[in-house]
Amino acid sequence: DAGITQSPRHKVTETGTPVTLRCHQTENHRYMYWYRQDPGHGLRLIHYSYGVKDTDKGEVSDGYSVSRSKTEDFLLTLESATSSQTSVYFCAASDRGLDYGYTFGSGTRLTVV
Amino acid sequence: AQSVTQLGSHVSVSEGALVLLRCNYSSSVPPYLFWYVQYPNQGLQLLLKYTSAATLVKGINGFEAEFKKSETSFHLTKPSAHMSDAAEYFCAVTGGSQGNLIFGKGTKLSVKP
Repeated sequence: DAGITQSPRHKVTETGTPVTLRCHQTENHRYMYWYRQDPGHGLRLIHYSYGVKDTDKGEVSDGYSVSRSKTEDFLLTLESATSSQTSVYFCAASDRGLDYGYTFGSGTRLTVV
Repeated sequence: AQSVTQLGSHVSVSEGALVLLRCNYSSSVPPYLFWYVQYPNQGLQLLLKYTSAATLVKGINGFEAEFKKSETSFHLTKPSAHMSDAAEYFCAVTGGSQGNLIFGKGTKLSVKP
């Protein structure tokens, strides 16, 4: 399923630097989400978007910001990366229909050194 | 708030044996429930979903799950495990405070030859 593309797939960055992860979808989904996946924690919601320029915080939003200037793109920015933000980041999208589920991207593995 | 509990972070079965992965949810209203599978270095793929139709749901790759309201459970089963079933499995439920899916912490399934 090439509907959601995340870039980069892997990134190593230094503590204190800003980092932007990109999520691009081709399915015209209204809702988009950023999750982080950590061992023992499953997936935790960072931020989500319910339309262009409409975003809100999830349960682990501290240190992250997002932007959605077009339906197809949802950007996640780590304003000043810390080692605790080393994780695998997943983007997902949905239409919030009667049988909604998520379509996921392949993830970005981020290492902060 | 909704929550999901997956019993057992690791489950190991022999090839050809029954697969049973457990998921319990807490919900004050009937939820929608999902099982996702994650193969190494990939995103999550939808296996099956319950959306208030039949309580026994069939998914891809021979998996099925049964919604039991009285037990608040949605366990995933497969009669005969294949080596290719080795992956991590996530149960998810609707009803997050932001209208998002809430994921369990995952169960890693190993299949022994």
